[in-house]
Amino acid sequence: AQTVTQSQPEMSVQEAETVTLSCTYDTSESDYYLFWYKQPPSRQMILVIRQEAYKQQNATENRFSVNFQKAAKSFSLKISDSQLGDAAMYFCAYRSAIRRGKLIFGQGTELSVKP
Amino acid sequence: KAGVTQTPRYLIKTRGQQVTLSCSPISGHRSVSWYQQTPGQGLQFLFEYFSETQRNKGNFPGRFSGRQFSNSRSEMNVSTLELGDSALYLCASSLATGGGYNEQFFGPGTRLTVL
Repeated sequence: AQTVTQSQPEMSVQEAETVTLSCTYDTSESDYYLFWYKQPPSRQMILVIRQEAYKQQNATENRFSVNFQKAAKSFSLKISDSQLGDAAMYFCAYRSAIRRGKLIFGQGTELSVKP
Repeated sequence: KAGVTQTPRYLIKTRGQQVTLSCSPISGHRSVSWYQQTPGQGLQFLFEYFSETQRNKGNFPGRFSGRQFSNSRSEMNVSTLELGDSALYLCASSLATGGGYNEQFFGPGTRLTVL
């Protein structure tokens, strides 16, 4: 069975600084997707960034980028130039290429941004 | 395009009762997945429906059931409610057509409180 682990329950960053959230996963599958979701206090889940396992190039979306290490099964999220609106719970998630409707989530990292 | 909608947004029930939650996917989306979010267990996958058929199922007891209608709207039912069923229930929809990536879009959730 696949598992996703986020070892940092809480993180804090100063506004305009850079922060990295960690995520490791375990799977025996070769084709899968990895995601970072943001859940603000409104509880609305928002997709931040995704990574296809077959792509070696790390995904980037504006201030958000990932460091995908497939052999190490590591998938960290870097937020650059942190903004107050980035404060939220961040979830790392795994999805098999076969069972496309099922996301497996990590426990989440609560990010606070200090002005 | 309207997003994923869930009704009701808040619900209070007592132990032993049953409850039905509704999810209306984005127009044209054929897959609906359900997740339970609790502080202790985090986000857990309940089941996925595609074209009125359950395609994937998580590790929940038989008290949790669901269905999907021909217009892709989905309902989930929890019978004989227990205190531990208190949670935020999220649904997500996706096109789920063809191969490749299909993003899941989440609804705002239904907050269920069992007294």
